[in-house]
Amino acid sequence: GQQVMQIPQYQHVQEGEDFTTYCNSSTTLSNIQWYKQRPGGHPVFLIQLVKSGEVKKQKRLTFQFGEAKKNSSLHITATQTTDVGTYFCAWRDGNTGKLIFGQGTTLQVKP
Amino acid sequence: ETGVTQTPRHLVMGMTNKKSLKCEQHLGHNAMYWYKQSAKKPLELMFVYSLEERVENNSVPSRFSPECPNSSHLFLHLHTLQPEDSALYLCASSQEVRGTDTQYFGPGTRLTVL
Repeated sequence: GQQVMQIPQYQHVQEGEDFTTYCNSSTTLSNIQWYKQRPGGHPVFLIQLVKSGEVKKQKRLTFQFGEAKKNSSLHITATQTTDVGTYFCAWRDGNTGKLIFGQGTTLQVKP
Repeated sequence: ETGVTQTPRHLVMGMTNKKSLKCEQHLGHNAMYWYKQSAKKPLELMFVYSLEERVENNSVPSRFSPECPNSSHLFLHLHTLQPEDSALYLCASSQEVRGTDTQYFGPGTRLTVL
Protein backbone atom coordinates (compact mmCIF):
# COMPACT_ATOMS: atom_id res chain seq x y z
CA GLY A 1 0.00 0.00 0.00
CA GLN A 2 0.89 3.65 -0.15
CA GLN A 3 3.70 4.55 2.21
CA VAL A 4 5.17 7.85 3.21
CA MET A 5 8.72 7.90 4.55
CA GLN A 6 9.93 10.75 6.71
CA ILE A 7 13.44 11.72 7.81
CA PRO A 8 15.13 12.39 10.10
CA GLN A 9 13.45 10.69 13.03
CA TYR A 10 14.96 13.11 15.56
CA GLN A 11 16.62 16.49 15.32
CA HIS A 12 18.22 18.52 18.09
CA VAL A 13 19.01 22.13 17.28
CA GLN A 14 20.18 25.20 19.12
CA GLU A 15 17.58 27.92 19.34
CA GLY A 16 17.97 30.18 16.33
CA GLU A 17 19.19 27.43 14.01
CA ASP A 18 17.16 26.27 11.05
CA PHE A 19 15.41 22.89 10.82
CA THR A 20 14.16 20.81 7.90
CA THR A 21 12.19 17.57 7.74
CA TYR A 22 11.68 15.59 4.55
CA CYS A 23 8.88 13.38 3.36
CA ASN A 24 9.22 10.93 0.47
CA SER A 25 6.99 8.55 -1.44
CA SER A 26 7.80 6.02 -4.16
CA THR A 27 4.61 6.97 -5.98
CA THR A 28 2.99 10.25 -6.95
CA LEU A 29 0.88 11.80 -4.21
CA SER A 30 -2.31 13.72 -4.92
CA ASN A 31 -1.74 15.81 -1.82
CA ILE A 32 0.49 16.14 1.22
CA GLN A 33 -0.59 17.41 4.60
CA TRP A 34 1.58 18.48 7.52
CA TYR A 35 0.68 18.15 11.19
CA LYS A 36 2.40 19.19 14.41
CA GLN A 37 2.05 17.30 17.67
CA ARG A 38 3.34 18.96 20.82
CA PRO A 39 4.65 16.70 23.61
CA GLY A 40 1.62 15.18 25.35
CA GLY A 41 -0.70 16.67 22.75
CA HIS A 42 -2.51 15.60 19.62
CA PRO A 43 -1.81 16.20 15.93
CA VAL A 44 -2.81 19.65 14.74
CA PHE A 45 -3.22 20.37 11.06
CA LEU A 46 -0.75 22.88 9.67
CA ILE A 47 -1.19 22.95 5.91
CA GLN A 48 -2.07 21.03 2.77
CA LEU A 49 -0.20 21.10 -0.56
CA VAL A 50 -1.75 19.79 -3.76
CA LYS A 51 0.07 21.37 -6.71
CA SER A 52 3.36 20.31 -8.25
CA GLY A 53 6.15 22.59 -7.06
CA GLU A 54 3.87 24.37 -4.62
CA VAL A 55 5.47 26.47 -1.88
CA LYS A 56 3.52 27.86 1.05
CA LYS A 57 4.72 29.92 4.00
CA GLN A 58 3.40 30.38 7.49
CA LYS A 59 5.59 32.90 9.29
CA ARG A 60 8.88 31.04 9.86
CA LEU A 61 7.59 27.77 8.34
CA THR A 62 8.04 27.03 4.63
CA PHE A 63 6.35 24.03 3.05
CA GLN A 64 7.28 22.65 -0.36
CA PHE A 65 5.77 20.01 -2.61
CA GLY A 66 8.16 18.53 -5.17
CA GLU A 67 7.77 18.93 -8.89
CA ALA A 68 7.12 15.21 -9.28
CA LYS A 69 4.75 15.24 -6.27
CA LYS A 70 6.75 12.47 -4.64
CA ASN A 71 8.40 14.48 -1.92
CA SER A 72 7.76 17.36 0.40
CA SER A 73 9.66 19.33 3.00
CA LEU A 74 9.00 21.54 5.98
CA HIS A 75 11.63 24.13 6.80
CA ILE A 76 11.64 26.21 9.97
CA THR A 77 13.82 29.31 9.98
CA ALA A 78 15.39 30.45 13.24
CA THR A 79 13.81 27.87 15.53
CA GLN A 80 12.28 28.85 18.84
CA THR A 81 11.52 26.71 21.89
CA THR A 82 7.85 26.87 20.95
CA ASP A 83 8.66 24.86 17.82
CA VAL A 84 9.36 21.77 19.92
CA GLY A 85 7.24 18.78 18.96
CA THR A 86 6.83 16.07 16.35
CA TYR A 87 6.10 17.05 12.78
CA PHE A 88 4.22 14.58 10.62
CA CYS A 89 3.59 14.53 6.92
CA ALA A 90 0.57 12.59 5.70
CA TRP A 91 -1.16 11.66 2.49
CA ARG A 92 -4.95 11.77 2.41
CA ASP A 93 -6.60 9.09 0.30
CA GLY A 94 -9.48 11.02 -1.20
CA ASN A 95 -11.57 7.89 -1.78
CA THR A 96 -11.39 6.23 1.62
CA GLY A 97 -10.59 9.19 3.86
CA LYS A 98 -7.47 7.43 5.12
CA LEU A 99 -4.60 9.57 6.31
CA ILE A 100 -1.34 7.72 5.75
CA PHE A 101 1.20 9.25 8.12
CA GLY A 102 4.95 9.34 7.95
CA GLN A 103 6.90 8.29 11.03
CA GLY A 104 7.32 11.88 12.13
CA THR A 105 10.35 14.00 12.98
CA THR A 106 10.73 14.97 16.62
CA LEU A 107 12.34 18.37 17.06
CA GLN A 108 14.12 19.39 20.23
CA VAL A 109 15.27 23.00 20.58
CA LYS A 110 17.94 23.92 23.12
CA PRO A 111 17.57 27.43 24.52
CA GLU B 1 -9.73 23.32 21.29
CA THR B 2 -10.50 21.66 17.97
CA GLY B 3 -14.16 20.87 18.62
CA VAL B 4 -13.42 17.18 19.15
CA THR B 5 -13.55 15.87 22.71
CA GLN B 6 -12.52 12.49 24.05
CA THR B 7 -13.14 10.78 27.37
CA PRO B 8 -11.53 9.50 29.40
CA ARG B 9 -8.16 11.18 28.87
CA HIS B 10 -6.35 8.40 30.71
CA LEU B 11 -7.37 4.79 31.25
CA VAL B 12 -5.67 1.89 32.97
CA MET B 13 -7.26 -1.50 32.54
CA GLY B 14 -6.53 -5.14 33.11
CA MET B 15 -6.59 -7.69 30.32
CA THR B 16 -9.95 -9.07 31.43
CA ASN B 17 -11.71 -5.71 31.73
CA LYS B 18 -14.24 -4.22 29.37
CA LYS B 19 -14.13 -0.47 28.84
CA SER B 20 -15.25 2.07 26.27
CA LEU B 21 -13.64 5.18 24.82
CA LYS B 22 -15.91 8.04 23.81
CA CYS B 23 -15.47 10.71 21.19
CA GLU B 24 -17.76 13.62 20.44
CA GLN B 25 -17.40 16.23 17.72
CA HIS B 26 -19.14 19.60 17.74
CA LEU B 27 -18.21 20.59 14.21
CA GLY B 28 -21.16 19.24 12.24
CA HIS B 29 -18.89 16.82 10.40
CA ASN B 30 -20.08 13.67 8.67
CA ALA B 31 -16.96 11.54 8.99
CA MET B 32 -15.26 10.23 12.13
CA TYR B 33 -12.10 8.19 12.61
CA TRP B 34 -10.23 6.17 15.21
CA TYR B 35 -6.41 6.18 15.13
CA LYS B 36 -3.86 4.37 17.26
CA GLN B 37 -0.54 5.99 18.11
CA SER B 38 2.05 3.66 19.61
CA ALA B 39 5.55 4.63 20.65
CA LYS B 40 7.98 4.68 17.74
CA LYS B 41 5.26 3.87 15.16
CA PRO B 42 3.39 6.08 12.73
CA LEU B 43 -0.22 6.88 13.50
CA GLU B 44 -2.35 3.98 12.32
CA LEU B 45 -5.90 4.34 11.08
CA MET B 46 -8.23 1.84 12.73
CA PHE B 47 -11.77 2.70 11.63
CA VAL B 48 -13.59 5.20 9.44
CA TYR B 49 -17.27 6.09 9.74
CA SER B 50 -19.32 8.15 7.33
CA LEU B 51 -22.78 9.18 8.52
CA GLU B 52 -22.77 6.40 11.12
CA GLU B 53 -21.80 3.76 8.57
CA ARG B 54 -18.44 2.03 8.84
CA VAL B 55 -16.57 2.47 5.57
CA GLU B 56 -13.13 1.27 6.55
CA ASN B 57 -11.86 -1.37 8.93
CA ASN B 58 -8.09 -1.48 8.79
CA SER B 59 -7.54 -5.12 9.82
CA VAL B 60 -8.10 -4.33 13.46
CA PRO B 61 -8.41 -7.23 15.95
CA SER B 62 -11.94 -8.00 17.08
CA ARG B 63 -11.10 -7.06 20.67
CA PHE B 64 -11.63 -3.49 19.41
CA SER B 65 -15.27 -2.84 18.54
CA PRO B 66 -16.36 0.56 17.21
CA GLU B 67 -19.82 2.03 17.46
CA CYS B 68 -21.19 5.16 15.83
CA PRO B 69 -24.76 5.85 17.03
CA ASN B 70 -24.93 9.21 15.23
CA SER B 71 -22.66 11.48 13.27
CA SER B 72 -21.51 13.35 16.38
CA HIS B 73 -20.54 10.42 18.57
CA LEU B 74 -18.07 7.60 18.18
CA PHE B 75 -17.20 4.87 20.66
CA LEU B 76 -14.46 2.29 20.82
CA HIS B 77 -15.39 -0.69 22.97
CA LEU B 78 -12.46 -2.58 24.40
CA HIS B 79 -12.40 -6.14 25.76
CA THR B 80 -9.70 -8.68 26.59
CA LEU B 81 -6.93 -6.35 25.47
CA GLN B 82 -3.24 -7.18 25.48
CA PRO B 83 -0.39 -5.14 26.96
CA GLU B 84 0.78 -4.31 23.43
CA ASP B 85 -2.52 -2.47 22.91
CA SER B 86 -1.27 0.23 25.28
CA ALA B 87 -1.15 3.40 23.19
CA LEU B 88 -2.68 6.80 22.60
CA TYR B 89 -6.06 6.41 20.90
CA LEU B 90 -7.03 9.41 18.85
CA CYS B 91 -10.40 10.31 17.43
CA ALA B 92 -10.70 12.65 14.46
CA SER B 93 -13.46 14.10 12.32
CA SER B 94 -13.75 15.73 8.92
CA GLN B 95 -16.54 17.19 6.86
CA GLU B 96 -16.67 14.21 4.54
CA VAL B 97 -14.77 10.97 4.04
CA ARG B 98 -14.06 11.64 0.38
CA GLY B 99 -11.84 14.51 -0.61
CA THR B 100 -8.87 16.07 1.08
CA ASP B 101 -10.40 18.30 3.72
CA THR B 102 -8.76 18.67 7.09
CA GLN B 103 -9.13 16.09 9.82
CA TYR B 104 -9.46 17.54 13.30
CA PHE B 105 -8.07 15.44 16.10
CA GLY B 106 -9.28 15.12 19.66
CA PRO B 107 -6.87 15.17 22.62
CA GLY B 108 -6.71 11.38 22.75
CA THR B 109 -7.11 8.71 25.42
CA ARG B 110 -3.86 7.39 26.88
CA LEU B 111 -4.56 3.68 27.44
CA THR B 112 -2.42 1.40 29.56
CA VAL B 113 -3.19 -2.32 29.61
CA LEU B 114 -1.72 -4.19 32.55
